[in-house]
Amino acid sequence: KNEVEQSPQNLTAQEGEFITINCSYSVGISALHWLQQHPGGGIVSLFMLSSGKKKHGRLIATINIQEKHSSLHITASHPRDSAVYICAVSFGYDMRFGAGTRLTVKP
Amino acid sequence: NAGVTQTPKFRVLKTGQSMTLLCAQDMNHEYMYWYRQDPGMGLRLIHYSVGEGTTAKGEVPDGYNVSRLKKQNFLLGLESAAPSQTSVYFCASSYPEAGGERNEQFFGPGTRLTVL
Repeated sequence: KNEVEQSPQNLTAQEGEFITINCSYSVGISALHWLQQHPGGGIVSLFMLSSGKKKHGRLIATINIQEKHSSLHITASHPRDSAVYICAVSFGYDMRFGAGTRLTVKP
Repeated sequence: NAGVTQTPKFRVLKTGQSMTLLCAQDMNHEYMYWYRQDPGMGLRLIHYSVGEGTTAKGEVPDGYNVSRLKKQNFLLGLESAAPSQTSVYFCASSYPEAGGERNEQFFGPGTRLTVL
């Protein structure tokens, strides 16, 4: 069983919709990371959090340490949000990644 | 600043050949990492380095070697390539959080390697 599970694997939304991607993990962690992988392959770090909630523009990330669960929300989705979103957890120098959620936002 | 760069972008090898992938960063980061990404699987850590002259094994180190002779460079070597090493390889770097924990990572553009 993968230490980091994401759902859904694929998600298609209409422009303007509110989107939620979920991440569950099974190990003790120092921090949880959300990454975005563009269609061209480049990977960008969106958030790193160890508690509570962070917001950046239309993106919101939350984490519940007790439940070992995190969510990434996108408000007012736009076609340019189409990408693969990756959840990862770090402990010490090590890091484990989820398989990613492929998001497609249609105009 | 160029950020994190990787050389080459693409490479095709025959089984048994050797090659070195170069990662360079100009952000003065202490930590550097090599990952591989395979279809349907998450990124997996191959090796990492927490400073010049130090390296350590990650989740999938077999068949790879690394060196960090200079702080800005992290080299990944394949001594005898195998088809199972066909993958996209990403390098990343970060500066340490307080207490030495991982901080935000900056990724290179990736190297697509095919082993025939």
